[in-house]
Amino acid sequence: AQSVAQPEDQVNVAEGNPLTVKCTYSVSGNPYLFWYVQYPNRGLQFLLKYITGDNLVKGSYGFEAEFNKSQTSFHLKKPSALVSDSALYFCAVSLTGANNLFFGTGTRLTVIP
Amino acid sequence: DAGVIQSPRHEVTEMGQEVTLRCKPISGHDYLFWYRQTMMRGLELLIYFNNNVPIDDSGMPEDRFSAKMPNASFSTLKIQPSEPRDSAVYFCASTSGTSGYEQYFGPGTRLTVT
Repeated sequence: AQSVAQPEDQVNVAEGNPLTVKCTYSVSGNPYLFWYVQYPNRGLQFLLKYITGDNLVKGSYGFEAEFNKSQTSFHLKKPSALVSDSALYFCAVSLTGANNLFFGTGTRLTVIP
Repeated sequence: DAGVIQSPRHEVTEMGQEVTLRCKPISGHDYLFWYRQTMMRGLELLIYFNNNVPIDDSGMPEDRFSAKMPNASFSTLKIQPSEPRDSAVYFCASTSGTSGYEQYFGPGTRLTVT
C-alpha cells in the first residue's frame, strides 16, 4: 500500500522568509514523488518531481524539494517566499509513475506581506 | 497545446437528473484520470484509463457513476441519477510516459446538485 502525509493543514510565513511544506510518504518500493500547487478555482499545476538521481530537485517558480529516503520525506522548500506563492500545495506518491497517484490532504500556504 | 479541456465549467442540476462531464486530454497523452475534490474528502481518484481502456475504477463511488473513453481525445463521466452528495469539483487529468508522468489537470467542473 502507498500513502502520503502532509502533517500541516496550514503554513504561514512572512514574505521574504524561507518556506517549508512538509511531506512524508509510505510505499513498498522506490517512489515517484510529486508536488502540485492549486490556486483558487483552478486545477492542480505540476511543480516538480523526483523519480531517480539527485536527491535535490528543482522545479517551477523557484521551488525545490529534497528526497530523503531514510526519513521517507519529500519536503517542499523555497528560499524566499512571495505573496503570490499563497496557494494549496499537494504532495503525491506513486510506485509506477503513471497510475495510482496518491495525493496528500494538502497544505494551505499563506505568505504574509 | 491548449491543455486539458473540461466542459462545462459549472453545472447546477436537481437531484435525480443525469449529469455528463466531458474531458479532452492533451494530444499524445495515453493516460487519462478523473478526480473528485471536496472539502471533506480532499482529492480522490475515481477512475483512470490507459490507451482508452479503463484500468482501475475502484474509486468510483457507486453504480450511479460511469466513465467512458471512446477515443484518445475524449472522455465522459456520467452520474445518473445525481444526488446532493455528488456536489464537488471534478477534475480530469492526462499524462504519458514520454512527458515524465507528471499529470496535467484541467480547470475542473464545479457540480452542484440541489
